[in-house]
Parts: sequence; C-alpha cells; structure tokens
Amino acid sequence: KAGVTQTPRYLIKTRGQQVTLSCSPISGHRSVSWYQQTPGQGLQFLFEYFSETQRNKGNFPGRFSGRQFSNSRSEMNVSTLELGDSALYLCASSSLLGRGYNEQFFGPGTRLTVL
Amino acid sequence: DAKTTQPTSMDCAKGRAANLPCNHSTISGNEYVYWYRQIHSQGPQYIIHGLKNNETNEMASLIITEDRKSSTLILPHATLRDTAVYYCIVRVALNAGNNRKLIWGLGTSLAVNP
Repeated sequence: KAGVTQTPRYLIKTRGQQVTLSCSPISGHRSVSWYQQTPGQGLQFLFEYFSETQRNKGNFPGRFSGRQFSNSRSEMNVSTLELGDSALYLCASSSLLGRGYNEQFFGPGTRLTVL
Repeated sequence: DAKTTQPTSMDCAKGRAANLPCNHSTISGNEYVYWYRQIHSQGPQYIIHGLKNNETNEMASLIITEDRKSSTLILPHATLRDTAVYYCIVRVALNAGNNRKLIWGLGTSLAVNP
C-alpha cells in the first residue's frame, strides 16, 4: 500500500506570494490533517478534514486555508506569505474518525522557505 | 499549549534499553497517551499508544503509572536507527462530538551511541 505523498517536497517563495501544497492520503483513508513544524514551536496543528469537511482547526490566521476533494486528496493554501511561514508542512492521514482515535500516517512533508 | 513534558534530550548506548519519560499530569480519564517518533528529514511515525494498562508491540513497550500522570516508553534494545525525536502526546477532545486534536510538544531527542 502506498504511503502518504506530499508535493512538492521543497518550495522557495518570496514574501507576499501565495503557495498551494498537496497531499494524497493512503488509499481508503478519509481523514487528512495538516501540521506546521518549526524548530522552536515543534508540530502545530493547522486543520483536519474528513469527507471534504473541515472538522478541526488550529490557531492559525485566516491566511492558512485548506480543502479536501471527493477522492480524499487535500490541499492547503497560504496567502500573503511571511518570513515566519518558513517551515516543514506535514500531512497525515488516518482511516476513520470515530469515537476512538486511529493511527495517523505522516507524509515526508513539504519544506517551504520564504525569502 | 502542550499538555506533556519531556526531557529535551537523552543518550543511550547501542544494545541497551532506552527509557523515555513523559509527564502528563493533567490527563483526563478518557484520554490516551500516544508516542510517535521522527527520524531526521522524515514525517513522524506512530510507535504505540495506551490508556491505563501497559502495552507492548514489536517496536516498544509503554508503561503508564497507576495515577496516569506519567508514562515511560521503553525501547528494549536500542539501535543506531532509533536515533530520533520522540513525541509523547495526549488526545484532547475539543467538544462533545468526535472532533479530536493532538497536542504535540517538542519531544525528546534521543541519540543512540555506538
């Protein structure tokens, strides 16, 4: 079974630009979560999607947005990039979001550098 | 805010057991403790999780204290490939529904020495 894939793996942008990152979950997984990882803050939860609906949202400004498609693939968008948005963006998928918790499988991440 | 406390770094000799502690003093009765690890340049990898009882799988053992305020992840025979950052996480329920959010701390950087 193929793992979680994220594209692109590396990205360099300048301040003020916008960026779109893509995540393809493991086949059959309907839940996709996004995280931002920086050296000082660790992993911070951005949002979670399940069946094309945002189920959870972290404490990030409105410049960060996401969506999920009917095939469970997900994208996240960051508009008006700031230097502080430089980070590793991780996507994780899990099989079912129910009363319990299901193991999250992480992709390799997209390394975003904002100049 | 992170709800777990872990040492910033630890060392372990190859072949020895690595014992990684985690404090989660505010854990509530229905919250699980999860452990993940992140090897350099990769995404985090699930290791194990538990509620009250000790758990063991092919990767590690998890020992949870009776009051559930702390736990220890044990890698019984550490190898160089176990060098990674280890995260101890509790599951937080945001509301009465099924929404969940994992709160990640900064983890413990484990160095396994030859």
